[in-house]
Order: sequence, then C-alpha cells, then structure tokens
Amino acid sequence: GDQVEQSPSALSLHEGTGSALRCNFTTTMRAVQWFQQNSRGSLINLFYLASGTKENGRLKSTFNSKESYSTLHIRDAQLEDSGTYFCAAEDVAGTGSNRLTFGKGTKFSLIP
Amino acid sequence: NTKITQSPRYLILGRANKSLECEQHLGHNAMYWYKQSAEKPPELMFLYNLKQLIRNETVPSRFIPECPDSSKLLLHISAVDPEDSAVYFCASSPGTNTGQLYFGEGSKLTVL
Repeated sequence: GDQVEQSPSALSLHEGTGSALRCNFTTTMRAVQWFQQNSRGSLINLFYLASGTKENGRLKSTFNSKESYSTLHIRDAQLEDSGTYFCAAEDVAGTGSNRLTFGKGTKFSLIP
Repeated sequence: NTKITQSPRYLILGRANKSLECEQHLGHNAMYWYKQSAEKPPELMFLYNLKQLIRNETVPSRFIPECPDSSKLLLHISAVDPEDSAVYFCASSPGTNTGQLYFGEGSKLTVL
C-alpha cells in the first residue's frame, strides 16, 4: 500500500471559511513538507517540518512523527488558495539518501 | 521562485531529440528531475548529489541526465513516446539527507 495517504482528495470551501488536510503515514517519517501547486502549475513551498507546528499567515501545519500524521490547516480561505496541495514525507532509505514520498494531492477550490 | 530556472518552459516534440536545462542559484548540493503527469503528484526520475548520480528510478533509457556542475542539471530526451507528455520539474535541496526541496517552474513536454 501507499506510504503516504492524503485526504481529502478534493475540498471546496466558501470564502472566509477554513478546513484541514491530513496525511497519514504507514512508516516512520523523518520530516514532512507541504506544497501548493497553483493554477499556473508552480509548486510552492509552504512548510518543512521535522516536528511540531509552524504557522504562516492563514496556514498552519503540524507534524506528529510518533503518531505518523501531518495536517495543514487553512483558515479564512481566499481565491489565491486555490490549487492542489501535496504533502511529501521523508523516510530514511537504506541507501543513505532520503526518499521523498508524495501524497496523491488535495484539489482545493473556492465556492463562489 | 526565480532561484531555480528551467528552459525551455514549453516543448513540443515529434521524434526529435531535445534537452531540458536547469540551473539553481541556491548553493544546494542535491539536484533532482521529477516528472509530473496530469492529475498526479511529481515522481522522482533522477537524483544527483555533488554531481554524482545517486538515485536513478526506473526511467526509460531514452532519458539521459547530465550534471555538468553542482548548480546545473540537464535532461536529454531522445525518441520520445506519447507517454512522455508531462511536466518535467527540476528541484534542489541543501543535501540528500536534510532540508527543504525547492522546485523550478517546470518544462511542459507535449509529444505529438
């Protein structure tokens, strides 16, 4: 099965509301990253976490390696938040180089 | 993100050979090629660290990477197949074992 299970696969919000995305991991991960892929296709770094919680504007992310999950909270959703969100987690591969495993993505859109 | 530049941005190929170029100005040691097909997350193709190829995923032999120096990455493509239509992203990180991954803007390949 997949090492990274991302949910939901799609999310629609009214402007000004909020919600959370989640990634569950089936193996121990060292760190997690969150990306937004915007309407132009650019992959924008949102967060890199080895543990704990980080906040940036209307976004907040948490990584709990013991319980094997990470969340991304969006509050006060705006049009510029539209796009696809990916989590990507680092495990420690036997070769000594990290393998970054991506979730399948959450397609986010704003309800007019 | 203007610190990782890719060219060309758009590429339409019949059976011709072509190369994608990438340069990063972040002082990173690790550079990557990722392939993103429609509605999917990026998939790792090649990983270089300090100009050495250290990870080579299952990629058709018509894709040949080259790393002329630690800030530049090339991807030579020959005899393309329709399944190669995708966006090819260059990325970099401080090292292979730590640090955030940064993506270039991508090169969209369309195979006729």
